Amino acid sequence: GEEVAQTPKHLVRGEGQKAKLYCAPIKGHSYVFWYQQVLKNEFKFLISFQNENVFDETGMPKERFSAKCLPNSPCSLEIQATKLEDSAVYFCASSQAELPWEQYFGPGTRLTVT
Amino acid sequence: GIQVEQSPPDLILQEGANSTLRCNFSDSVNNLQWFHQNPWGQLINLFYIPSGTKQNGRLSATTVATERYSLLYISSSQTTDSGVYFCAVDGVTDSWGKLQFGAGTQVVVTP
Repeated sequence: GEEVAQTPKHLVRGEGQKAKLYCAPIKGHSYVFWYQQVLKNEFKFLISFQNENVFDETGMPKERFSAKCLPNSPCSLEIQATKLEDSAVYFCASSQAELPWEQYFGPGTRLTVT
Repeated sequence: GIQVEQSPPDLILQEGANSTLRCNFSDSVNNLQWFHQNPWGQLINLFYIPSGTKQNGRLSATTVATERYSLLYISSSQTTDSGVYFCAVDGVTDSWGKLQFGAGTQVVVTP
C-alpha cells in the first residue's frame, strides 16, 4: 500500500499479559523501524529491520520485547508480560532501500497497560 | 548519541501570524526530518531536509548542516497548524536510520 498500516489502533492489557502489535510497511520499502512514544513528547527507537533481517536492535528491552519481519506477513512487535511502564504509543515507520532514508510513519498503536 | 534541542518549547500564535521553530543538533547528520503531530496523534512528514532549503505551501525549512541547525517557518498560520512539531535526526556516528527526536515545539494557533 501507499501508507504504513498499523493494527490495532488501541490495545488494553492487564499487567503481565502479552501484547502483539502489527505493521505493514509501504509496498516496496525494505526497512522497517519501531519507535515508542511515551509522555507525549518522548520518542525512543526500539529496533529496525532490513527486509526480514534485524538491522539494529540496540533500543530493545530484550527480556520482554521481541520483533519479527517475515516474508509476505506484517511485521510484529510482541511484549511478553507487559508492565505499566510499557503504556505508550508504538509507531512503525518504513523507508526505501536507497538513500535518502526518509522514514514514513504509521498511525501508531496506543497500548494501555492496567 | 546525537543530541537534539528544539526551541521554543511552546508557541501561541494568532491566526495569520508567522513563526520560526528551531532545531539544533550536536553532530553531523545523514538525515533530518520535520514532523507535525496533530491533536489526534498522527505523525505527518513535513520535510526531509539534511541540508538546503525546501518549501511546501505555507511551510518552508532550511538546514545549515555546517552550523548544525535547522529552521521551520510557518507563514500565515491557521488553526489546523496546531499540534507538536518534531525535528528528528539520524547522526553519522549512530547506525543508519536510527532517528533521534527532539522534545518538540507545542504550537497553538488561536482564531
